Amino acid sequence: SYELTQPLSVSVALGQTARITCGGNNIGSKNVHWYQQKPGQAPVLVIYRDSNRPSGIPERFSGSISGNTATLTISRAQAGDEADYYCQVWDSSTYVFGTGTKVTVL
Amino acid sequence: QVTLKESGPALVKPTQTLTLTCTFSGFSLSTSTMRVSWIRQPPGKALEWLARIDWDDDKFYSTSLRTSLTISKDTSKNQVVLTMTNMDPVDTATYYCARSSGYDYFDYWGQGTLVTVSS
Repeated sequence: SYELTQPLSVSVALGQTARITCGGNNIGSKNVHWYQQKPGQAPVLVIYRDSNRPSGIPERFSGSISGNTATLTISRAQAGDEADYYCQVWDSSTYVFGTGTKVTVL
Repeated sequence: QVTLKESGPALVKPTQTLTLTCTFSGFSLSTSTMRVSWIRQPPGKALEWLARIDWDDDKFYSTSLRTSLTISKDTSKNQVVLTMTNMDPVDTATYYCARSSGYDYFDYWGQGTLVTVSS
């Protein structure tokens, strides 16, 4: 079955840039989506189809994909960006989520 | 305004069958491209997709859990029901329902419901 691998944790200084990676075999051929999940809350879609932001998501959130890695970038990180982040794809008629990354803003 | 809400027992015993209901508003599952999925998250762990039902009654299941899952819909009540047989303590998790509309991502989620499996 298809697997998506993310780093367990990423730390970023307040106001700096955080990059969260999501690795998967031939991921460049798939649409990658990203969710933010704060403690005790449901996930929220922050990037869809690699690099598109839903309405209401700040421009500080961006997505890209290259080779076997998709990346979620959080620019000018704020304390409110502290959360778990998950990538997700559709593969072989199933949805696959990444292992999740905890982002800490220092 | 799209909303989804999960309901069901908070506690089930091992080997029992779990039945969860997702009640939604703001869209209809009889509308082309609408889909509702169930996703779960064990405490402190990652999200895991379980099942999906489409507007045309197509159904998709997690490969690893397909033998224990059944998803169905009641369009007139705006509800999607998930049953999961032979529950085990490892199935303790928060269960979410979520909508997708023509694309392979989830644009709206319910608040989730915690189900604990314990004797």
